[in-house]
Amino acid sequence: GAGVSQSPRYKVAKRGQDVALRCDPISGHVSLFWYQQALGQGPEFLTYFQNEAQLDKSGLPSDRFFAERPEGSVSTLKIQRTQQEDSAVYLCASSQESGTSQPQHFGDGTRLSIL
Amino acid sequence: AQKITQTQPGMFVQEKEAVTLDCTYDTSDQSYGLFWYKQPSSGEMIFLIYQGSYDEQNATEGRYSLNFQKARKSANLVISASQLGDSAMYFCAMRERQLTDKLIFGTGTRLQVFP
Repeated sequence: GAGVSQSPRYKVAKRGQDVALRCDPISGHVSLFWYQQALGQGPEFLTYFQNEAQLDKSGLPSDRFFAERPEGSVSTLKIQRTQQEDSAVYLCASSQESGTSQPQHFGDGTRLSIL
Repeated sequence: AQKITQTQPGMFVQEKEAVTLDCTYDTSDQSYGLFWYKQPSSGEMIFLIYQGSYDEQNATEGRYSLNFQKARKSANLVISASQLGDSAMYFCAMRERQLTDKLIFGTGTRLQVFP
């Protein structure tokens, strides 16, 4: 596709349920990022992949959060035993390669609401 | 400590006028990149403009220009000839070479353009 595609667009889950969020990056983009955006805030970094390698997961808030990109393209962010504080918009971004000058291109995000 | 500071929670501008959105940053790295993104109410993050720390010229992209003052560590976005469609949240972000390509975002400025 032309841009970064995320699904689902909206997700409502009960506290304690597991959720999986999908990101399909721009074709050929090596780098993939996940960010969490709380209401009224800027996005905050969660994790980063270069191809299939997860190079940085320092932003994952707890061991309930897990991300993978097994074939170096599509990525899944999984949240286990969801809590209310996990409610946020989860943004995926990709860039053509690593480097300070490369812009990251974002998807529309998944709005997660935990009841 | 805040790495990216956007001190204007909200700004108003009349259509066709120019507006400046402020951004200051904090880094000890010599090589870094500065980005501006637009986030309309629909939620997607749209890349606007990039400035590298070694770039001598201020970046320009159409109606967007970046007023880069390295010594003051500021990277203000200037939007000329504002349009109603410019109404959105605007985020300043930084990428430091010493970090793994992640973007650090400010808290954003909500711009409203009125007729």
